[in-house]
Amino acid sequence: NAGVTQTPKFQVLKTGQSMTLQCAQDMNHNSMYWYRQDPGMGLRLIYYSASEGTTDKGEVPNGYNVSRLNKREFSLRLESAAPSQTSVYFCASSEAVVMSNQPQHFGDGTRLSIL
Amino acid sequence: KQEVTQIPAALSVPEGENLVLNCSFTDSAIYNLQWFRQDPGKGLTSLLLIQSSQREQTSGRLNASLDKSSGRSTLYIAASQPGDSATYLCAVRLGTYKYIFGTGTRLKVLA
Repeated sequence: NAGVTQTPKFQVLKTGQSMTLQCAQDMNHNSMYWYRQDPGMGLRLIYYSASEGTTDKGEVPNGYNVSRLNKREFSLRLESAAPSQTSVYFCASSEAVVMSNQPQHFGDGTRLSIL
Repeated sequence: KQEVTQIPAALSVPEGENLVLNCSFTDSAIYNLQWFRQDPGKGLTSLLLIQSSQREQTSGRLNASLDKSSGRSTLYIAASQPGDSATYLCAVRLGTYKYIFGTGTRLKVLA
């Protein structure tokens, strides 16, 4: 009963390096999301994917790219990491029906430090 | 612009006490409101979801209420235990893909 799985759990990068955060869900959800969580701020949406093959910008997309590889997987890429991208990154998935009683499901997060 | 506020930011209570966590939002045009629990180093676990047409939801020792007209929700925890220590977040759903999260209340239940 894995739910939403994120890898890696921790990562330290140098400024300018690139990396990809991986996310997979096994709940057959159409919608997937990437958020970042910073101290004193609520979770902020970076990108989301309504369904396989589609992606859209959220509140803070600058410096990130995403790929919805298939229905299960949604990856987040930092092309040239900056210290301002130091954060905890969460992947989530949900049903796309607004009146659904099903909640959003979250992974355990990736703790990313940019030096 | 929708804003979600949770006050207080931190709370310490002795074990066994009943407590109320607050969540307020500025725009009543929401589809639902969720309460989450977040343990240190972990993701968010959904506790309760209240649809906009509902007034409350209960699960075990937890009861969440929703008053859309006043832009408020409360999470009531009965007979608190040290295992309830965590950060509690609320989030409103504004659209198919849009959720706005509060910054959370960090709860510590003292044994």
